[in-house]
Amino acid sequence: NAGVTQTPKFQVLKTGQSMTLQCAQDMNHEYMSWYRQDPGMGLRLIHYSVGAGITDQGEVPNGYNVSRSTTEDFPLRLLSAAPSQTSVYFCASSYSGTIPPSYEQYFGPGTRLTVT
Amino acid sequence: GDSVTQMEGPVTLSEEAFLTINCTYTATGYPSLFWYVQYPGEGLQLLLKATKADDKGSNKGFEATYRKETTSFHLEKGSVQVSDSAVYFCALQSIQGAQKLVFGQGTRLTINP
Repeated sequence: NAGVTQTPKFQVLKTGQSMTLQCAQDMNHEYMSWYRQDPGMGLRLIHYSVGAGITDQGEVPNGYNVSRSTTEDFPLRLLSAAPSQTSVYFCASSYSGTIPPSYEQYFGPGTRLTVT
Repeated sequence: GDSVTQMEGPVTLSEEAFLTINCTYTATGYPSLFWYVQYPGEGLQLLLKATKADDKGSNKGFEATYRKETTSFHLEKGSVQVSDSAVYFCALQSIQGAQKLVFGQGTRLTINP
């Protein structure tokens, strides 16, 4: 298993540009999420999905869109990049089917995004 | 809402020193508690977890005990190594949260030989 993969590893955008951060997992996890990591603030949840076709907002959703057409993929779209979106982005997945529930989340290696 | 507070870093220790990283939380009900570790240039990995009061999670010589009375989940290790240098995150999983994690701000640990 490759686990959770993310592309690209690094990206530089100009203000106003759009792009999509890719995330895929091969563990058949139903739950996937996107976090951003900023210095001194830990990780903050952007959007999450509890299964294909179902997404919801997290703590900091503004400026980002997501969709979940398959179990494996959960792309994050930046509609019009702003310098405040400079951050490291992590995708994570988890499976709730164990008894008792595990809640362990598996993280990808991250995408470092700089918006100038 | 739910929140996690970690001791501020960075923390610098010598090899074989005793480590404590404090973590306290605010949550309704009885959340599951986690410590994640992030090595340089990598994503987060689960280090240990506890799902109910008085549970002790342990892994790689690290331990943390779920203390409901003090709403704490402090991370400890008796003798740290240079390879333990990383950023450590305390997190909680609230029962209402549908597998959403709430993270502390992270504590950067550096171990000098």
